[in-house]
Amino acid sequence: GNSVTQMEGPVTLSEEAFLTINCTYTATGYPSLFWYVQYPGEGLQLLLKATKADDKGSNKGFEATYRKETTSFHLEKGSVQVSDSAVYFCALEYGNKLVFGAGTILRVKS
Amino acid sequence: SAVISQKPSRDICQRGTSLTIQCQVDSQVTMMFWYRQQPGQSLTLIATANQGSEATYESGFVIDKFPISRPNLTFSTLTVSNMSPEDSSIYLCSVEDRLSGTARTFYGYTFGSGTRLTVV
Repeated sequence: GNSVTQMEGPVTLSEEAFLTINCTYTATGYPSLFWYVQYPGEGLQLLLKATKADDKGSNKGFEATYRKETTSFHLEKGSVQVSDSAVYFCALEYGNKLVFGAGTILRVKS
Repeated sequence: SAVISQKPSRDICQRGTSLTIQCQVDSQVTMMFWYRQQPGQSLTLIATANQGSEATYESGFVIDKFPISRPNLTFSTLTVSNMSPEDSSIYLCSVEDRLSGTARTFYGYTFGSGTRLTVV
């Protein structure tokens, strides 16, 4: 079936550190891939997406590349800020349905 | 991109009662989706709601417990019926954000801000 596996958190970083949150997926065919962010007490916001292999999604300094060969969509940011503290969800789409990973809590210390 | 208004934003309900959650979109959309996020967990799709037809429920969710209405292309409701403390969750509606017309640009899926439900 279709599933998403994310690295477990929480991930705790100092401000300006490099961030990587790993995401791998299992799917039939070639799904679209997404990263969503949930700030404390808020709903989900789309952070970035990629709809085909080798696509790179980017937004607000975050990037992720759709790697078909490794079935991965790792999230990266070169320099995190305290305001990036949130829960990050990797997701895939199949048949208009989203399948989410478990979420990774990111805590950034000043 | 689409803007979704969801209400109520939160509620505390007595067990055995029902709560109806409303979701209003600022543009016409074919499909609307309802998700549940249990405390500390990820999101799980409850059902897909198309205008003019019955909602399609995912495994583990039934219409008697989560009746859904979809009277037009901009509005949907989800009712959580005969609630128990296990229903305490955040419930979110979502739409496929796609620009109609020749471009048909796919923006992704947009979510409402969620309804935080506590059942006591």
